[in-house]
Order: sequence, then C-alpha cells, then structure tokens
Amino acid sequence: DAGITQSPRYKITETGRQVTLMCHQTWSHSYMFWYRQDLGHGLRLIYYSAAADITDKGEVPDGYVVSRSKTENFPLTLESATRSQTSVYFCASRYRGGTSTDTQYFGPGTRLTVL
Amino acid sequence: GQQLNQSPQSMFIQEGEDVSMNCTSSSIFNTWLWYKQDPGEGPVLLIALYKAGELTSNGRLTAQFGITRKDSFLNISASIPSDVGIYFCAGQDDYKLSFGAGTTVTVRA
Repeated sequence: DAGITQSPRYKITETGRQVTLMCHQTWSHSYMFWYRQDLGHGLRLIYYSAAADITDKGEVPDGYVVSRSKTENFPLTLESATRSQTSVYFCASRYRGGTSTDTQYFGPGTRLTVL
Repeated sequence: GQQLNQSPQSMFIQEGEDVSMNCTSSSIFNTWLWYKQDPGEGPVLLIALYKAGELTSNGRLTAQFGITRKDSFLNISASIPSDVGIYFCAGQDDYKLSFGAGTTVTVRA
C-alpha cells in the first residue's frame, strides 16, 4: 500500500530553470493538493484539483503551473524557478466523500533549493 | 487564505510533563484538525474535531473544538521523548485547509 508518494525528495536547481515535482497516489482520491511550507507560515495552498482535468488556484499560485490528466498524478511545475520558491513542497489527497469526516493525507515532501 | 494564530510558537518539554497549545481564527470553521510533523516527513493527522464544544481524545492527546468555532486547543499529557516535532492546527472549510504556523516541541536538556 504505497499511499501517496512524491519525487524527487530533494532537488537543487538554478534560477530561471524549469522544474517539475511529481505526486502520485494509489487511493483513487478525487481531490489532490499542493502546499509549500516555509518557516513561520505553516503550510500554504498553491493549487488544488477536484478531479482529473479540473484544477484551481489556492492562496499562493503565482509562478506555478499544475496539470491533472490522470486521477492518480498531480505534477507541479515551476516554469522559471526563483529563489523565493526555495521551500518544502507537500502534496496531499482526499477522498471525495459526502461527509465532513474526510480529510487530507500528506506525502513525505520535496525539499527544493533554488540557487 | 484565512489566518490561524497558533501559540506558543515553540516549547520545551520534560518527560512526564503535560503540555498545551492552542489555535484561534478570525473565521468560523466546521472542522478543526491537529497534525504532527516529524523531521523529513509530511504532516500526520492526530485528531479531528467536527462539532462545536466537542472534546476528543487519542491516547495521551486531547483536543477541543471551541464553542465559537473559532478556536481549538490540544493537550499532551505525560509527554515522552517521541512527542517532539511540529504540531499544526488546521481549520477545514469544505475540502480546503488553512493552517496555523505550527508549534515546535523540543526536549528540554
């Protein structure tokens, strides 16, 4: 039972480069989310997806692009990385249930450094 | 996003102590959640609260959903070394979460 996985776990890149962070879940959850975690800010929502081919912006979407062609995958792309995007990125997924008892499960994170 | 104020920002624990942390919001939430994050890992759900006034326990952890629906607290009783980590509160609004900045718990030397 793999659950939710992220790759790579660590990435160093240079300013201006494009980088893609991968997220894969095996639960067939409808909802998927991308967060970034920075000291003093907790986790902030970048983008989310309610189902394949449906995505929407979160709190801090600028500089990021997402796609969701398959239910199980939700890649996050930084089209031209900037130093301010150095952060730890977490992917999460959630069952599209009809009750408030459904909540999000997180991947292990990707630590991205932009030089 | 909605701002959650979590306090304290950090705390030191000694084995056997009871510790407490809380979270307040300017907005109402229908669900409050408490997560713990260990180094190098993603947050893991500890307790979920679904009704105003609800008091829920999970082993040595106890959490309450405030009557106003704008606050919650988490207590850890008889702390042990593996309780170290970062604890996050989160308010759930439909399917989206808003997080507090976290409380970092470390062991007092």
